[in-house]
Amino acid sequence: GNSVTQMEGPVTLSEEAFLTINCTYTATGYPSLFWYVQYPGEGLQLLLKATKADDKGSNKGFEATYRKETTSFHLEKGSVQVSDSAVYFCALMNRGSTLGRLYFGRGTQLTVWP
Amino acid sequence: SQTIHQWPATLVQPVGSPLSLECTVEGTSNPNLYWYRQAAGRGLQLLFYSVGIGQISSEVPQNLSASRPQDRQFILSSKKLLLSDSGFYLCAWSVEGWETQYFGPGTRLLVL
Repeated sequence: GNSVTQMEGPVTLSEEAFLTINCTYTATGYPSLFWYVQYPGEGLQLLLKATKADDKGSNKGFEATYRKETTSFHLEKGSVQVSDSAVYFCALMNRGSTLGRLYFGRGTQLTVWP
Repeated sequence: SQTIHQWPATLVQPVGSPLSLECTVEGTSNPNLYWYRQAAGRGLQLLFYSVGIGQISSEVPQNLSASRPQDRQFILSSKKLLLSDSGFYLCAWSVEGWETQYFGPGTRLLVL
C-alpha cells in the first residue's frame, strides 16, 4: 500500500540551528513527494515537492531530495528561524493518479526558540 | 489565480446538533475536492473526496456526509454531532495532472 512515516516530534531547536526531519515512504507506484507546512491556526501550505528520483525540492531555505534507493525525502534547513515554528507534513501522491490523492505522515511539530 | 474559501472559521456546537461546513473554490473548473479532519495532536484523515458534481466517495464510515451541489462547492454535513467530531476540518482541491493539492484555511469545530 501507500504510507508515509515521519520522525516523531516535537522538535525543539534554537534559532540558527540545523534542522532535519526524516520522512520515509512506501508506495504502490512511482510517487511524487511533498512537504506541507501548517502554521499555528492555519491550513496547510505546500512547501516543496519533487517528482522523480534525485530531484531536489527547495523553498524558503528548506530542501529535500527524493531518494528512491532509500525511499526517503528528508527535510533540511541550514539555519532555522523563529518564524519556521510550525507543523511539517510529508506526503506522497502516486503519479498519474486521476484522483490526486495525497497520503500524509502524522506531522512533526517544530518549535524554534530565539 | 485560484482561491479556496471555507466557512465558518470557528464553530462551537452542542452534541446532537446538526452541522454544515462549506468550501468553495474560485478560478478553476472541475476540480477534485477533498475533506480532511485533523484531530488535536493527530495527523490528517481523509474523510471524503469528489471528482465531479454529485460524485462523493467516503473514506471512513461515520456520522458525517458530504455533498457537491455545484462544480466548485463542497459541503460537509452531519445530522447529529458527536463529541468525537471535534477537530480542524480542511478542504482541499486539485486538478488532474497538476499533482498538487491546495488547502483552505480550515474550520475549527468544537463539540460540547
